Amino acid sequence: DGGITQSPKYLFRKEGQNVTLSCEQNLNHDAMYWYRQDPGQGLRLIYYSQIVNDFQKGDIAEGYSVSREKKESFPLTVTSAQKNPTAFYLCASSIVWGANEKLFFGSGTQLSVL
Amino acid sequence: AQSVSQHNHHVILSEAASLELGCNYSYGGTVNLFWYVQYPGQHLQLLLKYFSGDPLVKGIKGFEAEFIKSKFSFNLRKPSVQWSDTAEYFCAVNAGSGGYQKVTFGTGTKLQVIP
Repeated sequence: DGGITQSPKYLFRKEGQNVTLSCEQNLNHDAMYWYRQDPGQGLRLIYYSQIVNDFQKGDIAEGYSVSREKKESFPLTVTSAQKNPTAFYLCASSIVWGANEKLFFGSGTQLSVL
Repeated sequence: AQSVSQHNHHVILSEAASLELGCNYSYGGTVNLFWYVQYPGQHLQLLLKYFSGDPLVKGIKGFEAEFIKSKFSFNLRKPSVQWSDTAEYFCAVNAGSGGYQKVTFGTGTKLQVIP
């Protein structure tokens, strides 16, 4: 089955630690995205990638980093500089980068701070 | 900057009741509008979208939404809800201008349908 796989489902971070959230898609989509979801705040864009080897900051990129070395993979690293990392993280993709493109979402990763 | 407002945070309806969820956006130019839905235990998925043409858009499972440009609104409707419609619904807008085209989501509306 085609889709987006996020792992792990739950992740715990200690103070000062970097953690990496995995996102893999087998849909052959060009564009990929990372969103953060907090209660009562909807989804906010962290980073996006229009195509492999390219990525851009979204609205709340501070304290996060990404890479796009392969078309199917778009890992997100939550660094120690992110002071409030506890949230639900959603990875998404679209066939191409475009304003009317439908987003396909993964099942998400819940990150908590110990 | 574009923004999206969903006024109803939590809606409770009985089966067969009619549904209307409000969505307003702030952007004066051309917009692409979406409703996404997240059923319990499932991925967020597209319900319907508007980008041009007929302002009344029909989606999956009997849902429809009407784009009213003068009111900056894109309300979601369903004439008769079912228990299986229990989910969280997100309105989203993509103004699509310039090189930075991004989807802005509303805060979501949780719909609970009582059998």
